[in-house]
Amino acid sequence: ELKVEQNPLFLSMQEGKNYTIYCNYSTTSDRLYWYRQDPGKSLESLFVLLSNGAVKQEGRLMASLDTKARLSTLHITAAVHDLSATYFCAVDYMDSNYQLIWGAGTKLIIKP
Amino acid sequence: ETGVTQSPTHLIKTRGQQVTLRCSSQSGHNTVSWYQQALGQGPQFIFQYYREEENGRGNFPPRFSGLQFPNYSSELNVNALELDDSALYLCASSLTSSEQYFGPGTRLTVT
Repeated sequence: ELKVEQNPLFLSMQEGKNYTIYCNYSTTSDRLYWYRQDPGKSLESLFVLLSNGAVKQEGRLMASLDTKARLSTLHITAAVHDLSATYFCAVDYMDSNYQLIWGAGTKLIIKP
Repeated sequence: ETGVTQSPTHLIKTRGQQVTLRCSSQSGHNTVSWYQQALGQGPQFIFQYYREEENGRGNFPPRFSGLQFPNYSSELNVNALELDDSALYLCASSLTSSEQYFGPGTRLTVT
């Protein structure tokens, strides 16, 4: 069974700093997703990564995928307060049936 | 283009009762997935429907069942409710295996 681990689970940082969230998964997968969730809200899709070496950027967020290492990173550049949220990665998994397996989430707090 | 909608927004049920949650997919999307998110935790995949057929299921017991209709709207049914079923239930629609768009969720409380 596929397991997805995120680290750190909690991150408090200052505005203007850079940081990276890591998402490791335990078995082969072709597709990885990053989502954002604000407190009490639903989930917002950030990135869909489909192949080894995929890199996508949106504003101050950049996501990458290394399928050989089974690792994705979400990099935050020059953080601003509005990026405070919980970030989840999720991975497609297919054995006898399809599942989408989620990490536990990284709660990010960005202080002014 | 309308987004994903869910009803009701909040619901309180008693242990042992049955509940039906509803989801209206984004226009043109043929795939719907349902998730359970307990407070402070990540979403747990319940199941996915593609063109009215279940094509994926997570580790949930059979008392969690679903339907997808020809217009691609969907229902999640939970029988014999337990206290641990209290959670936020999210549905998401997509076009096959592409990016998913989430609804606002239904907050279910079981007492």
